[in-house]
Amino acid sequence: QQQVKQSPQSLIVQKGGISIINCAYENTAFDYFPWYQQFPGKGPALLIAIRPDVSEKKEGRFTISFNKSAKQFSLHIMDSQPGDSATYFCAAPSMNRDDKIIFGKGTRLHILP
Amino acid sequence: NAGVMQNPRHLVRRRGQEARLRCSPMKGHSHVYWYRQLPEEGLKFMVYLQKENIIDESGMPKERFSAEFPKEGPSILRIQQVVRGDSAAYFCASSPPSGLYGYTFGSGTRLTVV
Repeated sequence: QQQVKQSPQSLIVQKGGISIINCAYENTAFDYFPWYQQFPGKGPALLIAIRPDVSEKKEGRFTISFNKSAKQFSLHIMDSQPGDSATYFCAAPSMNRDDKIIFGKGTRLHILP
Repeated sequence: NAGVMQNPRHLVRRRGQEARLRCSPMKGHSHVYWYRQLPEEGLKFMVYLQKENIIDESGMPKERFSAEFPKEGPSILRIQQVVRGDSAAYFCASSPPSGLYGYTFGSGTRLTVV
């Protein structure tokens, strides 16, 4: 069964630091890699996504870096803030061309004030 | 511009009862996905539906669980004869055709079996 491997499982970062979450994927039908952010008691929400005609996408303090040859992509949160404390999920398209995306197991991020 | 609407937000059932969870997708979205999440755990795929069709139910338990997405009305996830292990948050997501360009999730239904 297709997997998306996400690490670390949990992460603690000081306020103002850089949070880095990594994902590795298997073959996909095509290239589109979203990240979702989930706060306690809420549903996941699309945070940022990359289509790898570029190797990096930046939106504010959030950056996705993509390495196609290694089949890896990562989320960087610059100047991390306590409000960034949440669970983050990476995802990749199913290789079955069935409009499904496969989620990683999630990273629980805690930013220390 | 309502998002994905799930109801109820919280549902308490006694063991052996039936639970019905509803999901109304975003306007213009024809694909619905159901996920289950246990506390401190990730999203476990259950089923993917299009109008009147189950596309992929590989994540659904073989017994007691069923899902539908009728031509009219919301998608329904039905759990018969609930057991304590069914207690979880159930999330619905919807997408337009070619859902790969982003799912929109609802706020979830938190099922508690007592």
